[in-house]
Amino acid sequence: AQKVTQAQTEISVVEKEDVTLDCVYETRDTTYYLFWYKQPPSGELVFLIRRNSFDEQNEISGRYSWNFQKSTSSFNFTITASQVVDSAVYFCALSEVRTGNQFYFGTGTSLTVIP
Amino acid sequence: ETGVTQTPRHLVMGMTNKKSLKCEQHLGHNAMYWYKQSAKKPLELMFVYSLEERVENNSVPSRFSPECPNSSHLFLHLHTLQPEDSALYLCASSQEGFSGGANEQFFGPGTRLTVL
Repeated sequence: AQKVTQAQTEISVVEKEDVTLDCVYETRDTTYYLFWYKQPPSGELVFLIRRNSFDEQNEISGRYSWNFQKSTSSFNFTITASQVVDSAVYFCALSEVRTGNQFYFGTGTSLTVIP
Repeated sequence: ETGVTQTPRHLVMGMTNKKSLKCEQHLGHNAMYWYKQSAKKPLELMFVYSLEERVENNSVPSRFSPECPNSSHLFLHLHTLQPEDSALYLCASSQEGFSGGANEQFFGPGTRLTVL
């Protein structure tokens, strides 16, 4: 079974709209880490955020915000007032303490922001 | 120097060729990784070198052979590849501690490999 599910394969929004990218994970560990990465057309994955399982506080960084809910095993990512430069593939990933170096990535969500 | 560099950026090879991918990290990290990224699939972890130990995904074919001569350099040696091995190969590094848990990985730009 896939440990990280990103059900949205592709999303298109018009510039300045808000968009939420969904991430659902599966783990039996009590201690784990969740990540979001951005992959622009250049190919390099860019780290956005790391969150541990004990910190459910939502986080905001500029136009980006993350909603972590353990009750639903979700770690969703919202971009407010989207811009063309936000067009990329976004990956959610899970790492469990017992396999500290192993990242489980989702299949990614391709976001296109239309000017 | 950018954090993680990879060469070459593009590689086309025949099935009988032998080639190597190179990765170098300038971040002082102690762990390095090889990933394979194919279309519509999750990133697949191929190999990990962490604190000088190698961990590998047992499903990776033996035609892929990693080498990590030191904590800053990582190679992926390729021989007798198949067309289905065509993909983007990404290198990453991170700073790992002894207490478990994962720190963020920093990725290179990847090598786009095409096997004819």
